[in-house]
Amino acid sequence: GEDVEQSLFLSVREGDSSVINCTYTDSSSTYLYWYKQEPGAGLQLLTYIFSNMDMKQDQRLTVLLNKKDKHLSLRIADTQTGDSAIYFCAEYGDSSYKLIFGSGTRLLVRP
Amino acid sequence: DADVTQTPRNRITKTGKRIMLECSQTKGHDRMYWYRQDPGLGLRLIYYSFDVKDINKGEISDGYSVSRQAQAKFSLSLESAIPNQTALYFCATSDTQGTLNTGELFFGEGSRLTVL
Repeated sequence: GEDVEQSLFLSVREGDSSVINCTYTDSSSTYLYWYKQEPGAGLQLLTYIFSNMDMKQDQRLTVLLNKKDKHLSLRIADTQTGDSAIYFCAEYGDSSYKLIFGSGTRLLVRP
Repeated sequence: DADVTQTPRNRITKTGKRIMLECSQTKGHDRMYWYRQDPGLGLRLIYYSFDVKDINKGEISDGYSVSRQAQAKFSLSLESAIPNQTALYFCATSDTQGTLNTGELFFGEGSRLTVL
């Protein structure tokens, strides 16, 4: 079945880069996503990448996709305290017609 | 006003009680979902509905039921609540009718349920 895995916690210093990693199992995934959840709020889409791309850049965010290894990463440049949140990786596959989420990575940004 | 609204936002109840969580949306989306969030487990899908006459079980549907009363409304019921159903519940919507169908979900703010 489909499965998405992430490490649970990451701590970085303000101004450094953060890299959050994710692995998935569904090779038919058409889109892969990063969602952000701030304290007390629902999830909001941060960025997504289509499966025929290997990189997407959006301001401070860089998404890398290694389809062969089924590995997705999110790099946040110049990490700020406002980036502290839980980041969820998710995949959307033609075989499932629904999103499967990872367990979420809690990012803590230290001043 | 929020596009996806969940009520109640917080609820404390006792074991064995019936609970209903309601979700309404103004986005005009056809698909609606109920997820459960537990620390360290991420989001797990309980039920989903692709239109008013379509209801599908997710990965953890036991102990839950749903009703899609209208395109804009999707409610989740716990017929007899138990303590391990204590969690944060999210409703979400997605749109398959738009020109860019990326599968993006739009979430409500969550309903925190505590079962004593």
